[in-house]
Amino acid sequence: QKEVEQDPGPLSVPEGAIVSLNCTYSNSAFQYFMWYRQYSRKGPELLMYTYSSGNKEDGRFTAQVDKSSKYISLFIRDSQPSDSATYLCAMSHNSGGSNYKLTFGKGTLLTVNP
Amino acid sequence: DTGVSQNPRHKITKRGQNVTFRCDPISEHNRLYWYRQTLGQGPEFLTYFQNEAQLEKSRLLSDRFSAERPKGSFSTLEIQRTEQGDSAMYLCASSPLQGGPQHFGDGTRLSIL
Repeated sequence: QKEVEQDPGPLSVPEGAIVSLNCTYSNSAFQYFMWYRQYSRKGPELLMYTYSSGNKEDGRFTAQVDKSSKYISLFIRDSQPSDSATYLCAMSHNSGGSNYKLTFGKGTLLTVNP
Repeated sequence: DTGVSQNPRHKITKRGQNVTFRCDPISEHNRLYWYRQTLGQGPEFLTYFQNEAQLEKSRLLSDRFSAERPKGSFSTLEIQRTEQGDSAMYLCASSPLQGGPQHFGDGTRLSIL
């Protein structure tokens, strides 16, 4: 079993739809949770960064973390064609005080159709 | 505020050749990371620097791979005697010493002929 599981999709939605993206994880030591957006042939771009359980909102994006269920989500409201990209969840822990390497999911390919 | 810069963007080489990639992190970011990403997969951690010290290396980093960050600023990743399986996107990221999220460059795409 991989440490981080993410459905690779592809996911196709009409413009204006609410998109829900999810990841599950097995390592209870993970404390920091991130969502990155990656366009084709580009590097990952940070969208959301959270530390604790709960919700965090930034514009059309909402990140949710449920540590008890080891489950994180990203919601995109009023989706736009420009949101079409691969969305990567990533997480890390602070074991030993210096280890911040990220463990990523496979990424979900999202297409928003005009 | 410039982001993480990686060069070259694309490298095509023959099997058996050596290649070197460069990463310039966000200024004043003490931590620098290298990852490798293959098609359809998320990035996988390779190695990590805090200033000039290389603090962790993944098992993915075979003896043919070496990374340096001589003055605690830019970093280089060298692959010796390249193999077909080395074809991937090599990503660099940086973050501040006090923690916070990692910011990525646009990567160097390596193609082995």
